[in-house]
Amino acid sequence: DQQVKQNSPSLSVQEGRISILNCDYTNSMFDYFLWYKKYPAEGPTFLISISSIKDKNEDGRFTVFLNKSAKHLSLHIVPSQPGDSAVYFCAAGAGNNRKLIWGLGTSLAVNP
Amino acid sequence: DVKVTQSSRYLVKRTGEKVFLECVQDMDHENMFWYRQDPGLGLRLIYFSYDVKMKEKGDIPEGYSVSREKKERFSLILESASTNQTSMYLCASGAGRSNYGYTFGSGTRLTVV
Repeated sequence: DQQVKQNSPSLSVQEGRISILNCDYTNSMFDYFLWYKKYPAEGPTFLISISSIKDKNEDGRFTVFLNKSAKHLSLHIVPSQPGDSAVYFCAAGAGNNRKLIWGLGTSLAVNP
Repeated sequence: DVKVTQSSRYLVKRTGEKVFLECVQDMDHENMFWYRQDPGLGLRLIYFSYDVKMKEKGDIPEGYSVSREKKERFSLILESASTNQTSMYLCASGAGRSNYGYTFGSGTRLTVV
């Protein structure tokens, strides 16, 4: 059973608009969440993270929101750019566990 | 700049061959991981290691083995390659707790014919 779920396999957005990527989790022990971005034929790269003691973290055009009661987080990209077209993975970590648990990814297409 | 280096970007091997995928990190990280990525299946963990000579099975270890003789190097071995092992293979390293995140290599696109 998937502990981290990205229910939208794909998303298409116009350039300049907001992209919202969603992630749900089931394990209440998760205390840290990360978003990675992956281009084809490359390894994933770290984008932004959030600790469970916060409900928002912002870095430039990227903002992650965490709703612990709903076990839901979202990544907002404003404004979206064509170079943001990639697969976005949500990952979660718990306590002293060394392993991250990954969602299946959402493929974002930003159209010019 | 921290780096995880995978020895090959593209490989083509024949069914039944023994295949070695090498990964080296220069960050003195304790943890190293091997994943495969297939369309629609996300990142699936094959094996991981928390220390030299230590290994643990991930979610899909069948048909694979690993070796970690030195802290900086983690090798993935396909004992007898099969066509269903055609995939993108990704190596990652991390320090201590998973909260610190991972650094990934560029990936190896393996095709087994």
